Amino acid sequence: QAQMMQSGAEMKKPGASVMVSCQTSGYSFTDFFLNWVRQAPGHGLEWMGRINPHSGVSNFAQKFQGRVTLTRDTSTTTAYMQLDGLRFNDTAVYYCVSGGNAFDYWGQGTLITVSS
Amino acid sequence: QSALTQPASVSGSPGQSITISCTGISTDIGAEDLVSWYQHHPDKTPKLLIYDVNKWPSGVSSRFSGSKSGNTASLTISALQAEDEAVYYCCSFVLPRSWVFGGGTKVTVL
Repeated sequence: QAQMMQSGAEMKKPGASVMVSCQTSGYSFTDFFLNWVRQAPGHGLEWMGRINPHSGVSNFAQKFQGRVTLTRDTSTTTAYMQLDGLRFNDTAVYYCVSGGNAFDYWGQGTLITVSS
Repeated sequence: QSALTQPASVSGSPGQSITISCTGISTDIGAEDLVSWYQHHPDKTPKLLIYDVNKWPSGVSSRFSGSKSGNTASLTISALQAEDEAVYYCCSFVLPRSWVFGGGTKVTVL
């Protein structure tokens, strides 16, 4: 059974950067895209981007292009999401999600709070 | 990329069937059969219910079924139960290489 274990909650100031990690286990890490999805308070799910763990190539939703960096470490089967230039409305729960044609396995979520 | 359009809320009585629509455009829902549905209970992680328009992951009840016509996908919940009360999201692949969610539909069991 696939498991996704994310790093803990963080509080950041506006303009700062944050990195969230997602340690995976129980499946072949390089066989499935690793996506990042967020949910702001009172809002729905929002796809941010994905990385192909095999090639390292990333795709992003247009609104996150240039502000999000996705990386992975195949030796530890861990994926990372860095979000730069944090704004108040980046306050959200961030999920890592693996899957092929859908989002099958979800991490527990990481709350990122942006506050001055 | 705009979010897919879902009704904000749908309600039904126990035992009834309800259908949630999800409307997109020709470059997302209309382009490929890569539509999925998720159930999200408060304080839990979303759960995959349907993938590839109408396929069930292992362990998901057949009371949940999916379909698609043109640029609109639908999720039907049959024999509604109290535990089905949650927010439901559709999701579609978007050409050439991204994904988009719907705004979510809150299902209330009366």
